[in-house]
Amino acid sequence: DQQVKQNSPSLSVQEGRISILNCDYTNSMFDYFLWYKKYPAEGPTFLISISSIKDKNEDGRFTVFLNKSAKHLSLHIVPSQPGDSAVYFCAASDGTNFGNEKLTFGTGTRLTIIP
Amino acid sequence: EAEVAQSPRYKITEKSQAVAFWCDPISGHATLYWYRQILGQGPELLVQFQDESVVDDSQLPKDRFSAERLKGVDSTLKIQPAELGDSAMYLCASRQTNTGELFFGEGSRLTVL
Repeated sequence: DQQVKQNSPSLSVQEGRISILNCDYTNSMFDYFLWYKKYPAEGPTFLISISSIKDKNEDGRFTVFLNKSAKHLSLHIVPSQPGDSAVYFCAASDGTNFGNEKLTFGTGTRLTIIP
Repeated sequence: EAEVAQSPRYKITEKSQAVAFWCDPISGHATLYWYRQILGQGPELLVQFQDESVVDDSQLPKDRFSAERLKGVDSTLKIQPAELGDSAMYLCASRQTNTGELFFGEGSRLTVL
């Protein structure tokens, strides 16, 4: 049972435009959500997170939106840059504000930024 | 900059053989995780340690997998015997206590022939 779903395995976006990556979850106990970025042959690196008490968190070019009623979150990258090309994983946790307990990951979306 | 160290980076083995992976977390990180990522899927938690104690190993196939963190610092994940379906990237992560952020190592890619 896939509790965190990323239905788009890949996404291509023109450089300078907005990239929108989507994530859906089924477990209503999840209260902390994270996005990780992964380059080939490297481990995932933390990008941005959001607690369920918020509906938006912004960090530079990256913004995460959370819609709890729809059990949906999205990552917006604007403007997109070639260095953003990577696999992006959505992850969710229940239990703590830091979301540092057991993380459940989605299957990832491969983002390609076209110069 | 402190990193999570893993070795080996790549391992090719034949089925029924034993394999072992090593992880050295960032100094001071009490919580250590082993994840498995099969190609095309997201990472799945195998085992979580708090210091030397196992906190969660519910997803660890205990008939063939074992993990230890004897002194609460570095950790070893062992598979014996390896099966074809074990081919995957094995990721180690450690957690920064005050922020909760997970730091991943570069992973150990296992290919079982």
